[in-house]
Amino acid sequence: SQQGEEDPQALSIQEGENATMNCSYKTSINNLQWYRQNSGRGLVHLILIRSNEREKHSGRLRVTLDTSKKSSSLLITASRAADTASYFCATVYNQGGKLIFGQGTELSVKP
Amino acid sequence: AAGVIQSPRHLIKEKRETATLKCYPIPRHDTVYWYQQGPGQDPQFLISFYEKMQSDKGSIPDRFSAQQFSDYHSELNMSSLELGDSALYFCASLIVGVQETQYFGPGTRLLVL
Repeated sequence: SQQGEEDPQALSIQEGENATMNCSYKTSINNLQWYRQNSGRGLVHLILIRSNEREKHSGRLRVTLDTSKKSSSLLITASRAADTASYFCATVYNQGGKLIFGQGTELSVKP
Repeated sequence: AAGVIQSPRHLIKEKRETATLKCYPIPRHDTVYWYQQGPGQDPQFLISFYEKMQSDKGSIPDRFSAQQFSDYHSELNMSSLELGDSALYFCASLIVGVQETQYFGPGTRLLVL
């Protein structure tokens, strides 16, 4: 990966449980984004957090950003089987710049 | 609402052949990005264009070239294809200075045999 680490690489939970994924990056960023991808299909944008923000919510998603540790976490609460997918974090270093993706976490939610 | 269009959606080629992937950004979007995602890998940035000029370049092989045309659509040309070029190729677009989120197309799945 061009960026850093995402952990865990794979996560298996039961429906209704919470899922937490972590992402680390290497240099200062403009913003950090989380994407979802179902089985090698398209990338779906989930949420964006700017470098001056510490936490953001969207529905069942909660994202935190710690710029001092160069890390972010994505929490999916009350998971559903339909949440089964790969989740990638991606950083942007300057406005309009390219996305640098992390390695991804493969989430499996069992009914 | 209009989305990013990529064509073809699927492509099968033989080794050493050439391939051309097309991307039609959302109307009025001035920037196009290309990404390559190998099997089980994260997407990797290839190249981007702003107002028809190359704006950034990533890990794009010399065998690949790309351009953005006057109507803002972009083409990724791939020559002397190798087995390792088999991947999902995404195009994304946005309006610089206005949008922070890149809008992704559905991708072109290239298989090199």
